[in-house]
Amino acid sequence: EAGVAQSPRYKIIEKRQSVAFWCNPISGHATLYWYQQILGQGPKLLIQFQNNGVVDDSQLPKDRFSAERLKGVDSTLKIQPAKLEDSAVYLCASSLGSGVGGYTFGSGTRLTVV
Amino acid sequence: DQQVKQNSPSLSVQEGRISILNCDYTNSMFDYFLWYKKYPAEGPTFLISISSIKDKNEDGRFTVFLNKSAKHLSLHIVPSQPGDSAVYFCAASDVQGAQKLVFGQGTRLTINP
Repeated sequence: EAGVAQSPRYKIIEKRQSVAFWCNPISGHATLYWYQQILGQGPKLLIQFQNNGVVDDSQLPKDRFSAERLKGVDSTLKIQPAKLEDSAVYLCASSLGSGVGGYTFGSGTRLTVV
Repeated sequence: DQQVKQNSPSLSVQEGRISILNCDYTNSMFDYFLWYKKYPAEGPTFLISISSIKDKNEDGRFTVFLNKSAKHLSLHIVPSQPGDSAVYFCAASDVQGAQKLVFGQGTRLTINP
């Protein structure tokens, strides 16, 4: 079974620029999550999709972050404009939706904002 | 508000000995708990979980203990091996909700030969 694919692996941008991350979940996984992991902290949920609908985006800074999951498969997370404090690893995860034990994470995208 | 806390940022253990990682939580609605292991440049991988109806779950060298009254759980690794060196995250969920996980800050475990 192929894992959760994320790209790019690394990205360095200047503050106020925009950036986008891509995630391809495990085939058949209905639920997709984006997490932000700041250095020295645990992952924090940004947004959760069930198929192509948003289940929870309560912790997504909507003034600068946006995410979509067209056709209920791939997803993109965008930051515009980026701030220094957005430097983090952005993790995508997917699950069948039948239980939390089924979470599978991708390797993440490390974003550095300078 | 840190609902899941891992108060030890790092832990160093001799190979072959027991590693004990601790986690505390504040939200009494949490009823499902997990441990994830993370190597550098990789995403977290699921290790072991426990439901609140149990107080112990064992899988090979890994055992998780849950003390609901104290809102505390721990992960025991026996015997510890060099490949166990990684960052360990405790996570919790209210399964009645949307299955989102709330993570602790992580503990970096180093196994010394």
